[in-house]
Order: sequence, then structure tokens, then C-alpha cells
Amino acid sequence: EVQLVESGGGLVQPGGSLRLSCVASGFTFSSYAMNWVRQAPGKGLEWVSVISGSADSTYYADSVKGRFTISRDNSKNTLYLQMNSLRAEDTAVYYCAKRTSGWYFDLWGRGTLVTVSS
Amino acid sequence: QSVLTQPPSVSGAPGQRVTISCTGSSPSVGTTYDVHWYQQLPGTAPKLLIYGNYNRPSGVPDRFSGSKSGTSASLAISGLQAEDEADYYCQSFDSSRSIWVFGGGTKLTVL
Repeated sequence: EVQLVESGGGLVQPGGSLRLSCVASGFTFSSYAMNWVRQAPGKGLEWVSVISGSADSTYYADSVKGRFTISRDNSKNTLYLQMNSLRAEDTAVYYCAKRTSGWYFDLWGRGTLVTVSS
Repeated sequence: QSVLTQPPSVSGAPGQRVTISCTGSSPSVGTTYDVHWYQQLPGTAPKLLIYGNYNRPSGVPDRFSGSKSGTSASLAISGLQAEDEADYYCQSFDSSRSIWVFGGGTKLTVL
């Protein structure tokens, strides 16, 4: 079955760190760029970061640049998001999403909730 | 503030047709790159609805259609059904900043 399954979310204090994971199955993981997209409670979608299939290029939204690091392990079909210096405004459901060559996202995971609060 | 502007809400009665607009705020958004649409049912992850301005993935009913002209795109839903009640997001690529951008989302209410 073609799917993405995120994990690693939870409650963390401001200034803390968390690492999210996304396990892919059913497609050739290394052939596709992968993204993280987040959605704050009651808000819209916000693109966070992308990593190329070979992991040789990454891009970030200004809101997370310098604090978040995207990475992948193609041998494990797994995408990661290391989140440091977390702020209350980082509270959101984080989705991993597979990007096609057409610059859109054709497969999404169910998401994992990150709550930053003291 | 999103660089893609959508109306916050639209509504229609069952069987009617509604349209949702998506307007880019700069030439670098939505002109060179296509616009895509996602449907997010309550409590679920987004799902690709329209790609490449007007193409439907397999399994998406032909009641859903997309169009684009310049920096503006539209999603039309005909023959409204109760199950269409959801949030709809447009998405494109901002080439000036090398980032993916989403519209603010439109909540569709079926009356």
C-alpha cells in the first residue's frame, strides 16, 4: 500500500527540541523529493521544508530557517524533521508529503501533532 | 498573509454550482508555475483534488474542475453534495523565493 506514516509528535516546552519521522511505503522513496507541511490549530496549510530525493538540496520556510533541519535515510525509507528552539507558534499538525515533478503534493500522511507549551 | 488569496468561505445548496477563486499577489506566483487544489475533509489530511491547473487525479469525480488565467485560478464544483463540505486550498510555487505557497483556504458549506 502506498502510504506515509508520521510519528514523533508530542508536548514540548518552549526552547525545546523534537524530531519527527515519516516512514514511506509502496513507492520508490529515493526517487522523490519529500516535504513537511504544517497546520496550526484552526489555521491553513503552511509549507515548512523540502529535501531532494538524493538529499543534496534542502529549502526552508523563513519561519523555521536556522531552527529546523530536514533529512532523509533512503535505506530506511524515512524522512526526518529535527526541530530545535521550538516556539509556541510552532504548535501544529505536521504532515509529510511526497512531491511530484509537477511541483505539487500527491501523497500525504495523516500528520503528527506538535504542541509547544509550558 | 498568503501570497495566494482565496475567499474565506463559500456556500451553496445541494445540486448547485460554486466556484472558489485563487489569486496570486505577484507575477512570480502562479504565472510560470501551475496551480493545484487540495480538499481537506474535517479531521483528515489534505488530499490532492486538481493538479496542473485543471487535471483530476484518478478517483476524483468530474464534478470538480479547475481553470487558470494569468495569476488567477478557479476551482468549480458542480452538483454540490453534502460530502463536499470541506476546506479547499490552492497551491503554487513562488520562484522568487524558491518556496511552495498555499492559499489561506476556503471553507465550503453545503446548505
